[in-house]
Amino acid sequence: GEDVEQSLFLSVREGDSSVINCTYTDSSSTYLYWYKQEPGAGLQLLTYIFSNMDMKQDQRLTVLLNKKDKHLSLRIADTQTGDSAIYFCAERGDSWGKFQFGAGTQVVVTP
Amino acid sequence: EAQVTQNPRYLITVTGKKLTVTCSQNMNHEYMSWYRQDPGLGLRQIYYSMNVEVTDKGDVPEGYKVSRKEKRNFPLILESPSPNQTSLYFCASTPATGLGIQYFGAGTRLSVL
Repeated sequence: GEDVEQSLFLSVREGDSSVINCTYTDSSSTYLYWYKQEPGAGLQLLTYIFSNMDMKQDQRLTVLLNKKDKHLSLRIADTQTGDSAIYFCAERGDSWGKFQFGAGTQVVVTP
Repeated sequence: EAQVTQNPRYLITVTGKKLTVTCSQNMNHEYMSWYRQDPGLGLRQIYYSMNVEVTDKGDVPEGYKVSRKEKRNFPLILESPSPNQTSLYFCASTPATGLGIQYFGAGTRLSVL
């Protein structure tokens, strides 16, 4: 079946850039998402990209999509301590209600 | 305030004792989902619903039931809980049009002893 994979842990120094990577297998994916989960909370949408786009920028966030390689990345510029969280990559295929999530990347920002 | 509300937030129970986790949304969204979150496995979809009386299995439906009698509510039922259902559960809702963004509840931490 469909699968979404991402690395489990990333440590970054405050002020540096973070890059979180994700690979997916469903070629029919229409939208791909990045969600952020802070400790003890639910997930909140961080950003999204439509499958016919290569790049999307939103303030400190840059999403890159390589559809040929089924590779998605999230870059956070000037990483702050408030960016410490778990980041989930997710895809929606051609069935509206069905979503696949990755295992989540724990990002730890050190001073 | 637009929100997805789950209850209870924490639940400790024993094997075999039926339980229900409630989920309610006030955004008039057509789609609702249940997920479980386990370390190293991320979020896995249990069931989802496209509208009232329409539900479908996600990736890990075994041991769970759902119902959608009203648009705003989507309860998750564990008829005979087992220890391997100890997990963090999330409910989410999504409108039928737009970008497919999901709105999540705060989560229910379930321990089955």
